[in-house]
Amino acid sequence: DAKTTQPNSMESNEEEPVHLPCNHSTISGTDYIHWYRQLPSQGPEYVIHGLTSNVNNRMASLAIAEDRKSSTLILHRATLRDAAVYYCILQSLLTGGGNKLTFGTGTQLKVEL
Amino acid sequence: EAQVTQNPRYLITVTGKKLTVTCSQNMNHEYMSWYRQDPGLGLRQIYYSMNVEVTDKGDVPEGYKVSRKEKRNFPLILESPSPNQTSLYFCASSALAGDTGELFFGEGSRLTVL
Repeated sequence: DAKTTQPNSMESNEEEPVHLPCNHSTISGTDYIHWYRQLPSQGPEYVIHGLTSNVNNRMASLAIAEDRKSSTLILHRATLRDAAVYYCILQSLLTGGGNKLTFGTGTQLKVEL
Repeated sequence: EAQVTQNPRYLITVTGKKLTVTCSQNMNHEYMSWYRQDPGLGLRQIYYSMNVEVTDKGDVPEGYKVSRKEKRNFPLILESPSPNQTSLYFCASSALAGDTGELFFGEGSRLTVL
């Protein structure tokens, strides 16, 4: 399975943009890049996903490198509620259907006033 | 409200005493999956199901069973729990098997096996 590498932790100030990096040098051509986050005592929550092009939604933006070996999740204005563990995940579509998300250990984002 | 519901949320049991963690979703999703989360290891997939009566092993299926008799329910069965199955368990679902979209997770079930 293709793996992702993320920093263990990052810090940000409230109201500032946050760029969370992820390396996935062994990504295959059909793997989707997903980001989930997990707040304390909750299940993971979908943030965004993409294949090749940059993506934007109400929560965040996803910037994907041209060679797809890395990506960056961008939170445009961090708030205290964004403090969570952020997981960069590759989604592999399985032969015969189904899909598989392989989670790593993620990046703990701390947001300070 | 669209949701994935797990029960129980917390459970302490003893080695060898069979238990079932239930998972139910109200979104008519085809795909359901179980994960376990352990410190330093992230989330690992136990089993998944692409539709009713279709299940398959994930990365860590040993010691677990599942069934998918109805679309909305996907129970996780521990026939003879052992202490190494002490973990935080999450059920998840998505609209279509093979879909590249969002996985919806339950709030988790924390299991302790003594």
